[in-house]
Amino acid sequence: AQSVTQLDSQVPVFEEAPVELRCNYSSSVSVYLFWYVQYPNQGLQLLLKYLSGSTLVESINGFEAEFNKSQTSFHLRKPSVHISDTAEYFCAVSAVMKTSYDKVIFGPGTSLSVIP
Amino acid sequence: GAGVSQSPRYKVAKRGQDVALRCDPISGHVSLFWYQQALGQGPEFLTYFQNEAQLDKSGLPSDRFFAERPEGSVSTLKIQRTQQEDSAVYLCASSTVRVPQPQHFGDGTRLSIL
Repeated sequence: AQSVTQLDSQVPVFEEAPVELRCNYSSSVSVYLFWYVQYPNQGLQLLLKYLSGSTLVESINGFEAEFNKSQTSFHLRKPSVHISDTAEYFCAVSAVMKTSYDKVIFGPGTSLSVIP
Repeated sequence: GAGVSQSPRYKVAKRGQDVALRCDPISGHVSLFWYQQALGQGPEFLTYFQNEAQLDKSGLPSDRFFAERPEGSVSTLKIQRTQQEDSAVYLCASSTVRVPQPQHFGDGTRLSIL
């Protein structure tokens, strides 16, 4: 079975400063990795995903994450945050299956607060 | 519609009552997922449908929980004899068949059991 650890429950950061949200996973098989963002009173939105290929993946709003198999990590980074980035961020993992599906397991989340 | 729609947005019920939560996925999406999100926690998987087939219900916490998707589009999550620990936000998500993860989430139904 897969599991996800997000060590930081809350991350305060000043506007325009860089940020890193940490994610580590555990799995005995190959994995797909995801980051989701959740704004207050809303559902989750898929931010970016690693399925295969390049280990560095990027989102359209400036976030990036790097898959590190040796360290079993998938940390999320942004070089300069905006007030609008304030939200809850969830790292998630699923096993690579030859059939079409394996359930996605979510981490406990990291609350990012951007300070003006 | 343009996105995943869930209704009602808020539901208050007395302990012991039955509730039904509805999910309208994005048109044409064959995969549908239900998640339970307790306050301050990440979503917990409940069940997964591919069209009308319920392929995985391993996350349903008890036999009081039941989900269906009879025509492969709209889905209903039913909770019988509700208990206080059922209080949570219930999230529905859908995706195209080629995508192995929930792609588009609804805004959820916040269920409060008194």
